Amino acid sequence: AQSVTQLGSHVSVSEGALVLLRCNYSSSVPPYLFWYVQYPNQGLQLLLKYTSAATLVKGINGFEAEFKKSETSFHLTKPSAHMSDAAEYFCARSTGTASKLTFGTGTRLQVTL
Amino acid sequence: DTGVSQDPRHKITKRGQNVTFRCDPISEHNRLYWYRQTLGQGPEFLTYFQNEAQLEKSRLLSDRFSAERPKGSFSTLEIQRTEQGDSAMYLCASSLTGAWETQYFGPGTRLLVL
Repeated sequence: AQSVTQLGSHVSVSEGALVLLRCNYSSSVPPYLFWYVQYPNQGLQLLLKYTSAATLVKGINGFEAEFKKSETSFHLTKPSAHMSDAAEYFCARSTGTASKLTFGTGTRLQVTL
Repeated sequence: DTGVSQDPRHKITKRGQNVTFRCDPISEHNRLYWYRQTLGQGPEFLTYFQNEAQLEKSRLLSDRFSAERPKGSFSTLEIQRTEQGDSAMYLCASSLTGAWETQYFGPGTRLLVL
């Protein structure tokens, strides 16, 4: 089955430190990949998406992700963490148009002083 | 663009009761999706509509679940004879048909079945 794997259910970083959230996908065809963020008791907000136009994708709030086909990865990074980044982050994939999203199990990011 | 809205935001019900949730998509979006999210998990696909047609249903959508989008605008998700296992966050998303389709999510309806 085509899936998304997020390594690390919890990640803790200090404020100002690099954020790295890992996502690997399995797919027989190039997928569309997404990162969403979810704050407590809220819906999901789109951070960024990969649609094959460029392998390095910039999103909102200073986040970016790099698509690496050879590693089947789409890791999310941010150079300097802020307290407001504390949330749950989900990697998701679809196979194209008219397609449901398949989500990873999520990574909870904690930012400490 | 007011975003995707869902009503109610929270629902507490007793086992065996029926519940109905409503989703209002972004106005120009022709596709509407329902997902279910349990604690500690990512959302799981339930069903989706293109305009008023329900085009795909997950095996998670048992016969106690029914979804409609009668006029291709808002959608309702009904759960009959609720069970404690139905307790979850129910998320709605909408999108516009296109090459780079992106789904935009509502705030969700949190259901607790006692």
